[in-house]
Amino acid sequence: QQPVQSPQAVILREGEDAVINCSSSKALYSVHWYRQKHGEAPVFLMILLKGGEQMRHEKISASFNEKKQQSSLYLTASQLSYSGTYFCGTERAAGNKLTFGGGTRVLVKP
Amino acid sequence: GAGVSQSPSNKVTEKGKDVELRCDPISGHTALYWYRQSLGQGLEFLIYFQGNSAPDKSGLPSDRFSAERTGGSVSTLTIQRTQQEDSAVYLCASSPREGAEQYFGPGTRLTVT
Repeated sequence: QQPVQSPQAVILREGEDAVINCSSSKALYSVHWYRQKHGEAPVFLMILLKGGEQMRHEKISASFNEKKQQSSLYLTASQLSYSGTYFCGTERAAGNKLTFGGGTRVLVKP
Repeated sequence: GAGVSQSPSNKVTEKGKDVELRCDPISGHTALYWYRQSLGQGLEFLIYFQGNSAPDKSGLPSDRFSAERTGGSVSTLTIQRTQQEDSAVYLCASSPREGAEQYFGPGTRLTVT
């Protein structure tokens, strides 16, 4: 089952904050986050493991609520470079394939 | 260091023809993945190789699609009798071990006319 991401799109002004959610109907082992800029390949941001700590990449952080089977990505004090499509990928057990969500398009304006 | 490379970068083919797409993973990476991404859409898992284990083919959409990985390194995705709905960007990714971060190649844009 594909995880559900929300919102589908968000427009921010530089310096504003945003939260992207990734929800699954099944128990998860890990959640991966990637960012893809237009015309480019996805780039790894971070992995959150079951029982693990909140992770951070520059001013982007993420949490993983195992009980809710949900991960949230926090864009803090957004920069123009944060624009792109963010994908979460979920792993149901160690060593399983990743199933990606539909993506959240983020546009940061000056 | 060298990243994941894919060839060709673009491929235009006629409906019904076979195509081969190549992926060269990062040296030493044991896991290799193929995904398909249609315009403006998410990443659709196709197949996953891990070391010498049997590949996870659960994402292949039909028996026209096949893939192999030779010597634990280079991988080829083959699509037989291409259809217009096969048009998409095909992305390959490699990972140092299963469950770790994935490094994506630039993709092959396939257009079936």
